[in-house]
Amino acid sequence: DTAVSQTPKYLVTQMGNDKSIKCEQNLGHDTMYWYKQDSKKFLKIMFSYNNKELIINETVPNRFSPKSPDKAHLNLHINSLELGDSAVYFCASSQVSSGANVLTFGAGSRLTVL
Amino acid sequence: DQQVKQNSPSLSVQEGRISILNCDYTNSMFDYFLWYKKYPAEGPTFLISISSIKDKNEDGRFTVFLNKSAKHLSLHIVPSQPGDSAVYFCAASQNNNDMRFGAGTRLTVKP
Repeated sequence: DTAVSQTPKYLVTQMGNDKSIKCEQNLGHDTMYWYKQDSKKFLKIMFSYNNKELIINETVPNRFSPKSPDKAHLNLHINSLELGDSAVYFCASSQVSSGANVLTFGAGSRLTVL
Repeated sequence: DQQVKQNSPSLSVQEGRISILNCDYTNSMFDYFLWYKKYPAEGPTFLISISSIKDKNEDGRFTVFLNKSAKHLSLHIVPSQPGDSAVYFCAASQNNNDMRFGAGTRLTVKP
């Protein structure tokens, strides 16, 4: 299956812990992203990588560190987790189609910080 | 600063009728607009897009209309089907960077 896959799908952890979410795409796309969907349901971009290079880094606490070992992978590591980090995190990759930059999303990883 | 807004959190229509989902934006530099559809426990999937140089794009039952002067776009689904029930996100980008999403509208199509 060609897709964007992210693991784990669910993650429940205590405040102060460090956790990682992994993402892989086999679509051959050059650009990958992390989006956060908060309790108000807005999808907000966190990071964008193009060919392993950081392109976009929105105002995200530096406890969040993306790592792209190759252009097919973009992992998200979060240090010292806080209650406000609870959200659904979506990984995506993109290609330009008829001029528009079309994102393909993973199924999401629901992070709950207790 | 929410540059893309979907002011209706939900919409309910009867099967076979038209569904109209609305979206407003504030950044006049956006050059592409997209609609995504999201089912529960899945990621959003791309539905249809429109360039800022056009005012209409059609794909089967889905048509997107763009009114640049009003900074408004809408997605029309006709005829609506129960399988169209999902959350629809409006999105916009400038120079294919930094895609901004609205908060979504939950569409329910009743049989």
